[in-house]
Order: sequence, then C-alpha cells, then structure tokens
Amino acid sequence: DGGITQSPKYLFRKEGQNVTLSCEQNLNHDAMYWYRQDPGQGLRLIYYSQIVNDFQKGDIAEGYSVSREKKESFPLTVTSAQKNPTAFYLCASSIRQGPYEQYFGPGTRLTVT
Amino acid sequence: DAKTTQPPSMDCAEGRAANLPCNHSTISGNEYVYWYRQIHSQGPQYIIHGLKNNETNEMASLIITEDRKSSTLILPHATLRDTAVYYCIVRVAHGAAGNKLTFGGGTRVLVKP
Repeated sequence: DGGITQSPKYLFRKEGQNVTLSCEQNLNHDAMYWYRQDPGQGLRLIYYSQIVNDFQKGDIAEGYSVSREKKESFPLTVTSAQKNPTAFYLCASSIRQGPYEQYFGPGTRLTVT
Repeated sequence: DAKTTQPPSMDCAEGRAANLPCNHSTISGNEYVYWYRQIHSQGPQYIIHGLKNNETNEMASLIITEDRKSSTLILPHATLRDTAVYYCIVRVAHGAAGNKLTFGGGTRVLVKP
C-alpha cells in the first residue's frame, strides 16, 4: 500500500533531550512537510522540503531541525531549544507544484516532561 | 493566503445531508478552496478542492458562489464515521511556499444517530 508512515505513534522524553521523529513515504512525492498541532488548534507548518537536499523554514521553525537526504524520508529533530515541545506532530507529502492535495501520516504524539 | 471563517461546530443527523459553510471574502483570483477533515487523533484527510466551478467526488460536493467569496461543502448522506473537524483552506496552487496549507480552527461536526 502507498502512503506515509510515522513512528512511533507515542513518544515520551525528558526535558533537555533531543528527539527525532521519523517520516517515510512511498508515494514518490517530491515535497514533504512537518506540521505541529496543539490541543484544539489547527496545524502550523514547521519545515518543508520541495526536493532532496533542500528544505525551508515554515512558520514555527525555532527549536526544530530537519534533513532530506533521501526522497522517501524527512526526519524531524525536536531539540532542547524548543520551549514547548509537547504536541501532536504530523508529516505530509505532495506532488511538488500545482493544485494537488497533501497526504498526511498518522502523526506522532510527543510528550516531554 | 486568504483567511477563512467557519462556524466552530454543528450537529447533523445520520443519513441526512450535512452542509458546511465557509466564508473567504478576501480570496484572490488564483487561490483555490480546499477542504480537509481530521478525525480525532488522526492525520488530516483531503476531501475536495475547487477554483471556480462546483466539484463533486465520491466523498462530497463543493459549491462555490459566483463571486467566490464563500463556499459550502456538502456531505450527501452523513454517517457516524463523518464525525470530525472540517477545515476550509484557501491557497495559491503554484510555487514552493504556495504548497503550504494554513489551517484555521475548522468546524467540529458531530453526526448523531
């Protein structure tokens, strides 16, 4: 089946630790995105990548880092500099340009204590 | 991207049509209207999109007013599985930053038996 996988579904970390969230897609999409969702809120864009080895900051990139070494993979690292890391993190992918929809993964719920 | 306004919540009877309104009075000529929905604790799911003409697919119909300042998503026969938050999003289709989706608060739809 084609789609986007995110792992793990739930993740727990201690404050001060960096943590990396996985996102893999087998849809052959060029573009990939990371969003953050807080309870009762809409999604906010963290980073996006239009092509391998290139990525751009979104609206709330501070405290996060990404890499795009392979077309299929776009991991997100939540660093200790992120002040409020506890949230629901969603990865998406799409064809690079045009009025095309984004396909979302199931999300990773990160809790930092 | 143009801002959208949606009612925060609405109820619908199972088996009846659900009509979800969205106001986007500042929409530009090159902006599309997209609808996504998010079932609790899952990633958003694409429903439909349109530019000027009304659109229909296996999930829903999208009715866009002639002046494009508002639209209505129609779920023809709502089921309990349609209970979700529905997001109306307006964005340009082209360019790297144009692929970003800006999510507002959405409409929380509760389908009742």
